[in-house]
Amino acid sequence: LAKTTQPISMDSYEGQEVNITCSHNNIATNDYITWYQQFPSQGPRFIIQGYKTKVTNEVASLFIPADRKSSTLSLPRVSLSDTAVYYCLVGQITGGGNKLTFGTGTQLKVEL
Amino acid sequence: SQTIHQWPATLVQPVGSPLSLECTVEGTSNPNLYWYRQAAGRGLQLLFYSVGIGQISSEVPQNLSASRPQDRQFILSSKKLLLSDSGFYLCASTTGRSRGGYTFGSGTRLTVV
Repeated sequence: LAKTTQPISMDSYEGQEVNITCSHNNIATNDYITWYQQFPSQGPRFIIQGYKTKVTNEVASLFIPADRKSSTLSLPRVSLSDTAVYYCLVGQITGGGNKLTFGTGTQLKVEL
Repeated sequence: SQTIHQWPATLVQPVGSPLSLECTVEGTSNPNLYWYRQAAGRGLQLLFYSVGIGQISSEVPQNLSASRPQDRQFILSSKKLLLSDSGFYLCASTTGRSRGGYTFGSGTRLTVV
């Protein structure tokens, strides 16, 4: 299982762009990269997933370099409500089932 | 899309008492099911996962157990709770096509006193 490394915490202000980088040096060929957001006392919520290059949806962008040994979650123009823990998850779920390991995540704090 | 129901939302139990947390899944069949625990301010620790009825894999040896009596039902149990069992318990599911995309329940906050 690919191990991930993220910053423990980040601070930002409303309206700024926030980039959270995750390192996953031993990512396997078939592994996908998935990011989750978790608010206190709630289950993690899927944000975005990618395999290579760039993926964008309505809430975030995910940048993955060619070597795939890292990935960057980009949150445009954050607001106070984006204060949460963000997890990077690397791996794949096969039809037979396996499990992925969540790291400690990055606590993002957004202030006025 | 999948929906996971977990109950209760909060639970306060004395040390030595039994535990039963239930999780049910809607919107999919034959899901992979997981129980995670999260201590205060910490990441998610995988406790058990199941790929089918009656099939349970344990990740962390402890006084907890899990069962899957039906395809979309996953139960976490303990015969005697310890103080260290306190935490936030989350049920999650994936399907064979999810590529790492978990759907999580809303969680149960367990406090053992």
